[in-house]
Amino acid sequence: GDSVTQTEGLVTLTEGLPVMLNCTYQTAYSTFLFWYVQHLNEAPKLLLKSSTDNKRTEHQGFHATLHKSSSSFHLQKSSAQLSDSALYYCALSDRGNMGYKLTFGTGTSLLVDP
Amino acid sequence: GPKVLQIPSHQIIDMGQMVTLNCDPVSNHLYFYWYKQILGQQMEFLVNFYNGKVMEKSKLFKDQFSVERPDGSYFTLKIQPTALEDSAVYFCASSEQDNYAEQFFGPGTRLTVL
Repeated sequence: GDSVTQTEGLVTLTEGLPVMLNCTYQTAYSTFLFWYVQHLNEAPKLLLKSSTDNKRTEHQGFHATLHKSSSSFHLQKSSAQLSDSALYYCALSDRGNMGYKLTFGTGTSLLVDP
Repeated sequence: GPKVLQIPSHQIIDMGQMVTLNCDPVSNHLYFYWYKQILGQQMEFLVNFYNGKVMEKSKLFKDQFSVERPDGSYFTLKIQPTALEDSAVYFCASSEQDNYAEQFFGPGTRLTVL
């Protein structure tokens, strides 16, 4: 079945430094990847999505490029802000027998220090 | 932006009791989902629902689970009877279309079964 791997459970860095959160996936079918961000006590919210190979997608200062050759969809930002501290989930959308569902990674907690 | 509400935010019940988790989806959305997240693990798909019917359910969706959306009101997840392993955070989501459209998530209901 489908799977999503996020290798870092916790990433801690200083404000102003670049961010990179890793995401790799396995799927036998179509490829539509998402990044969701969840701030403390809030709902997960969509940050980025892509299905186009080798095309950079950007939103709110974050960017990611889907690379089907390496099955990766890493999340990056050039300069971290304190408000970026949150839980980040990479997810893969797949069509099951009927209807769509998301397969999530275990999530990466990003902690940005001043 | 569009919001999904979940009631209650926390629920503590004794094993064997029935519990109903309520979700108020985005008003014009037609597709509804439940995901389960055990502490320290990733969110996992339970079920999706459209036009009054379950479209697909995962192996986590036990016989004791049921979903419904009577008369366009709350989308509910009922567990009867509950078991200790049902302790988790349950996330509701909704989407406008049945494709790779964004799923909007609620903040989750933390269920503790004693």
